[in-house]
Amino acid sequence: EVQLLQSGGGLVQPGGSLRLSCVASGFTFSNYAMSWVRQAPGKGLEWVSTISGPGSSTHYADSLKGRFTISRDASRNTLYLQMNSLRVEDTAVYFCAKEGSLIIGVDYLDYWGQGTLVAVSS
Amino acid sequence: DIQMTQSPSFLSASVGDRVAITCRASQGISNYLAWYQQKPGKVPKLLIYGASTLQSGVPSRFSGSGSGTDFTLTISSLQPEDVATYYCQKYDSAPPTFGPGTKVDF
Repeated sequence: EVQLLQSGGGLVQPGGSLRLSCVASGFTFSNYAMSWVRQAPGKGLEWVSTISGPGSSTHYADSLKGRFTISRDASRNTLYLQMNSLRVEDTAVYFCAKEGSLIIGVDYLDYWGQGTLVAVSS
Repeated sequence: DIQMTQSPSFLSASVGDRVAITCRASQGISNYLAWYQQKPGKVPKLLIYGASTLQSGVPSRFSGSGSGTDFTLTISSLQPEDVATYYCQKYDSAPPTFGPGTKVDF
């Protein structure tokens, strides 16, 4: 059974940093690209970033302007999102998600983590 | 970047109704289109990928169609548990943009 267990959310002041983690199980982690998607309160889904299975290729939403870094550790079956220079508008529930096939590039998302709230406020 | 739109933004229907939600891409994306269902307070769930392929375990009352720029998610007989917001997502290339969502309620 595929499981994605997230941790690392919380309250942070504007300008601060936070790292989200997503531990994967039930599939061969290094074979699949992984993504982060966020949802601001009362709003729709917004794609944040994707990293390839080997970790050699990454994609980011233009709106992040280099503040976020996606990474993965195959030895720990863990996906990360390092978030720096956080802004009030980054407040959202962040979901990690597994891509659905073995293709290179972005793909549909077939399994999602439970979500973790990041609240940016002074 | 390719923009995704959905219509309607809100849909009110009755149990047993046939419901259709439209998703439109600003440029052609072949069949690289997925549909997700998100119930209130819950995690998004994949319903359909490849524009028309039903994800395993999803009830057969859900179906998808379309190619290029115009796509449709159809619920053949709306059930109470289908109250949710539905999102399309294109994944032909980065960024894999989501549509703004369609809220379905009674």
